Amino acid sequence: GQSLEQPSEVTAVEGAIVQINCTYQTSGFYGLSWYQQHDGGAPTFLSYNALDGLEETGRFSSFLSRSDSYGYLLLQELQMKDSASYFCAVSTGGFKTIFGAGTRLFVKA
Amino acid sequence: DVKVTQSSRYLVKRTGEKVFLECVQDMDHENMFWYRQDPGLGLRLIYFSYDVKMKEKGDIPEGYSVSREKKERFSLILESASTNQTSMYLCASSLKNTEAFFGQGTRLTVV
Repeated sequence: GQSLEQPSEVTAVEGAIVQINCTYQTSGFYGLSWYQQHDGGAPTFLSYNALDGLEETGRFSSFLSRSDSYGYLLLQELQMKDSASYFCAVSTGGFKTIFGAGTRLFVKA
Repeated sequence: DVKVTQSSRYLVKRTGEKVFLECVQDMDHENMFWYRQDPGLGLRLIYFSYDVKMKEKGDIPEGYSVSREKKERFSLILESASTNQTSMYLCASSLKNTEAFFGQGTRLTVV
C-alpha cells in the first residue's frame, strides 16, 4: 500500500527552530509538497520539492532525499502564528496527490 | 487573488438524503479535487477531474459521485447519506500537479 508517515505532534518554543519529518512509500513519485492548515481554515501551500536538496522560502525550508524516500519541513524563528497543522503530500502521477495524516505544531511562549 | 469557493460551511442532513456539495474556482484550472478530512487520517482523495465531463476515482469513492459540467464547477454528490460520511469535505483545484488551492471546507453532519 501507499503511506506517508509524519509525527502527530511537535512542540517548540517561540524563536526556536523545528523540523517536521516525512517518510513516504508510494507507487509513484513526482514531488513532495507541504501544506499548512490553521484550525478552521483551508490548507495552504508552502513548498514543493521535485529534486533532491533544500528549497528555502523565507523562514520555511523544505528538504527532499528521493533515495531515502524522506523529506522534512524546517521552520525557523518560530512565531505563535506558526501553531497549525502541517501536512506532507506526495504527487504520485496521474493528477493524484496523497496526503499524510498531519503534524500538529504547538508553539509556546 | 485566487479563490476556491464551497457553497456551504456547515450542513446537517438526514440519513438517506441525497446531498450535493458545490465547489467553484475562478482560476481557470483544469484539475479539481474532492477530499475528505478526518482526525488522524489526513486528507483522503474521493474523486478528481482533469477536464470538463472527465472524472477519476480517488482512494475512497464508494458512496460518492461527482459532476463537472463546466470547467469552474465541480460537484460532489452523496447518493444516500450515511452517518459514516460525517466529515469535513475539502475541494481543491490546481493548474499543475504541484500547488493545490483549497476551499474553506464544508463540515457535513449526517444524523
